[in-house]
Amino acid sequence: KQEVTQIPAALSVPEGENLVLNCSFTDSAIYNLQWFRQDPGKGLTSLLLIQSSQREQTSGRLNASLDKSSGRSTLYIAASQPGDSATYLCAGPHSGGSYIPTFGRGTSLIVHP
Amino acid sequence: NAGVTQTPKFQVLKTGQSMTLQCAQDMNHNSMYWYRQDPGMGLRLIYYSASEGTTDKGEVPNGYNVSRLNKREFSLRLESAAPSQTSVYFCASSEAGSPSNQPQHFGDGTRLSIL
Repeated sequence: KQEVTQIPAALSVPEGENLVLNCSFTDSAIYNLQWFRQDPGKGLTSLLLIQSSQREQTSGRLNASLDKSSGRSTLYIAASQPGDSATYLCAGPHSGGSYIPTFGRGTSLIVHP
Repeated sequence: NAGVTQTPKFQVLKTGQSMTLQCAQDMNHNSMYWYRQDPGMGLRLIYYSASEGTTDKGEVPNGYNVSRLNKREFSLRLESAAPSQTSVYFCASSEAGSPSNQPQHFGDGTRLSIL
């Protein structure tokens, strides 16, 4: 069974910093990994989906990488802004080719002005 | 744009009562999902529907039933609510495929308390 761990659990930084959020997984047979954002009291917003054939994906100031051999994915946020404050979650398949996703517990990010 | 709409937003039930959570999407998506989110547990998939008329169990299906009424609507029913089902329930949809391989669009959730 896949286990997904996100470190750190919480992060508080001043505006303008470049950030790295970490996601580790135990089953390296995953075929993709997703990153989401969740604002308080809201549902998740899909940020990036990295297929196993890709090493990284970029969207604006966000860049996500996937290293299956080390069981790690990182989400890089450039030039952080207060509007980036949210909880960031990663998810990978439950096991191998399973359609069931396993979510991490998230990193709660606060970017203060 | 409405996206994924869930009703109700909040509900309190007594143990043993039944309830149906409603979900509708207006993006013409084929796949729809129900999740629950509990503190310290992360999101867990309850059921998933790849298309109208088909449903599959997720990680935690016990105590729930689902109906894919048509392409737009996917409902979740608790037949006899238990305190362990107190949670925030999210509905999501994607163009096609499974929850593990497609970007998903989420509703804002139903906060359900069972006393």
